[in-house]
Amino acid sequence: GENVEQHPSTLSVQEGDSAVIKCTYSDSASNYFPWYKQELGKRPQLIIDIRSNVGEKKDQRIAVTLNKTAKQFSLHITETQPEDSAVYFCAASTYGGSQGNLIFGKGTKLSVKP
Amino acid sequence: NAGVTQTPKFQVLKTGQSMTLQCAQDMNHNSMYWYRQDPGMGLRLIYYSASEGTTDKGEVPNGYNVSRLNKREFSLRLESAAPSQTSVYFCASTTGRTLGREQFFGPGTRLTVL
Repeated sequence: GENVEQHPSTLSVQEGDSAVIKCTYSDSASNYFPWYKQELGKRPQLIIDIRSNVGEKKDQRIAVTLNKTAKQFSLHITETQPEDSAVYFCAASTYGGSQGNLIFGKGTKLSVKP
Repeated sequence: NAGVTQTPKFQVLKTGQSMTLQCAQDMNHNSMYWYRQDPGMGLRLIYYSASEGTTDKGEVPNGYNVSRLNKREFSLRLESAAPSQTSVYFCASTTGRTLGREQFFGPGTRLTVL
């Protein structure tokens, strides 16, 4: 079955710097890759997602890139702010087929220092 | 719309006790999920219901049972709680399991088993 590896497990940056979180997946059939943000004590919430027919997607300060050859996708946050501090989870699934469940990475705790 | 709601928010059980976690969604979603979240382990799928009337095991189903009561409600039951089941439990729902759409999470239930 699918396995998703996420790195790093913790990341500390200065306010205004960029942050990059990387995930690799094992199942070449995976075609949907969402990213969730979980603030302390809160529920996970979707911040951006990408499908395999697209190489990059942006939404203001966040972007996700996908490299299907390497089976890797990454979250990029530019001009980080203290409110970006949270745990970020990547996930992978296969839509349109029989296996639609999300497989999550173990999370990255991002700390943005003012 | 309330989205996804869960009860209770907190619960303390003694080993061997039973309890049911309740989840409801008002978004007319077909698919519902139960996850557990442990430190450093990400979100692991316990059971899911692809549509009303169906339930299936996820990654970590042992010690749990579920009921899809109707389209809105999906409950998780612990028949004989064990300390290893101490965790935060999240319910989630989405339009359709294989559609590659956002999963909406409930606020979570923090369960401690003594």
